[in-house]
Amino acid sequence: AQKITQTQPGMFVQEKEAVTLDCTYDTSDPSYGLFWYKQPSSGEMIFLIYQGSYDQQNATEGRYSLNFQKARKSANLVISASQLGDSAMYFCAMTFYKAAGNKLTFGGGTRVLVKP
Amino acid sequence: DAGVTQSPTHLIKTRGQQVTLRCSPKSGHDTVSWYQQALGQGPQFIFQYYEEEERQRGNFPDRFSGHQFPNYSSELNVNALLLGDSALYLCASSLVGGADGYTFGSGTRLTVV
Repeated sequence: AQKITQTQPGMFVQEKEAVTLDCTYDTSDPSYGLFWYKQPSSGEMIFLIYQGSYDQQNATEGRYSLNFQKARKSANLVISASQLGDSAMYFCAMTFYKAAGNKLTFGGGTRVLVKP
Repeated sequence: DAGVTQSPTHLIKTRGQQVTLRCSPKSGHDTVSWYQQALGQGPQFIFQYYEEEERQRGNFPDRFSGHQFPNYSSELNVNALLLGDSALYLCASSLVGGADGYTFGSGTRLTVV
């Protein structure tokens, strides 16, 4: 069975500094997509960044970048220049296109608190 | 451009009762998935609807059922509510296959007392 692991339950980061959120996964499926979502206290899942398993380059979206190491089965999210509004829960999620259709499987999340 | 709309936003029910949650997908999306998120955990997949049929189902009992209408909107029904059903219920819409990504609503927070 596919599994997503986020080992950091919570972390503090100083405003304007970068933070790396860890995500590892376990699958034998060669075709998958990786997502990172931000969930503020309001509850909505906000899409941040996507990487496909066959993409050659690491994805980047503004202050968000993905450190995708396929051989190590890790997909860490880097947030540069943290802002107070970045305080939220962050979830790593994956779609395994062959084994499980296109449902999303989520990790347990990491709570980030940005300090001024 | 309307995103995913869920209703109601909050709900309190008594054990044993039945509840219906509603979801309107993002314009242009044809697939709706439902997730249950217990406090402090990641969302868990309940089921997915496409072309008015349940296409995939997670490890949830038959008390959880759903429906998709011709306009792609969807309902999640839970019968015989248990205290453990208290959670945030998230709806996500997408195109079949997920090619356009997944758009989530703000969720319905269900409390069972």
